[in-house]
Amino acid sequence: DGGITQSPKYLFRKEGQNVTLSCEQNLNHDAMYWYRQDPGQGLRLIYYSQIVNDFQKGDIAEGYSVSREKKESFPLTVTSAQKNPTAFYLCASSLGQGVSSPLHFGNGTRLTVT
Amino acid sequence: AQRVTQPEKLLSVFKGAPVELKCNYSYSGSPELFWYVQYSRQRLQLLLRHISRESIKGFTADLNKGETSFHLKKPFAQEEDSAMYYCALTPGEGAQKLVFGQGTRLTINP
Repeated sequence: DGGITQSPKYLFRKEGQNVTLSCEQNLNHDAMYWYRQDPGQGLRLIYYSQIVNDFQKGDIAEGYSVSREKKESFPLTVTSAQKNPTAFYLCASSLGQGVSSPLHFGNGTRLTVT
Repeated sequence: AQRVTQPEKLLSVFKGAPVELKCNYSYSGSPELFWYVQYSRQRLQLLLRHISRESIKGFTADLNKGETSFHLKKPFAQEEDSAMYYCALTPGEGAQKLVFGQGTRLTINP
């Protein structure tokens, strides 16, 4: 079954700890993205990667880091520097650049930091 | 900066009634507009996109550059249309840096 897999579905961490969210895709898509979803604010872009070993900051990259060592994987690390890390995180991928490639989303990871 | 505004957080209509979900945007260039939908217990997925000029599940959306709007319409709502709808914009260049609106939760009453 092709698609995007995010794990875990729920994640709990204590304040001050870094945490890594997993995102894997078997769609052979070049581009991958991380969005953050907060109530009443829609989705905001954290980081995106158009190709392996390359990634760019989105609109709210502070306190986050990513890597793209493999085409299939785009993990997101929420560092202790992120002031409000509790949120719902969505990973997405697209076949390539440009508007002809719709985004395919994962099921999301809900992170709670206390 | 690009911005997408969906003025209605919640919208409730009766089955068979027309439905219109509003979307306004601000962007100085020529954007590409999309509607994404999330049905209960399903992933967020593309519903339709402006460049395709398509009708999906009876929904259409017309880009009005004068009013900077991209409202989503359906003449006769069905119960299965109940979902969360997001309007999104991309500058149309480079990667798919989509900017999303806040979303509208549509409920179709029987």
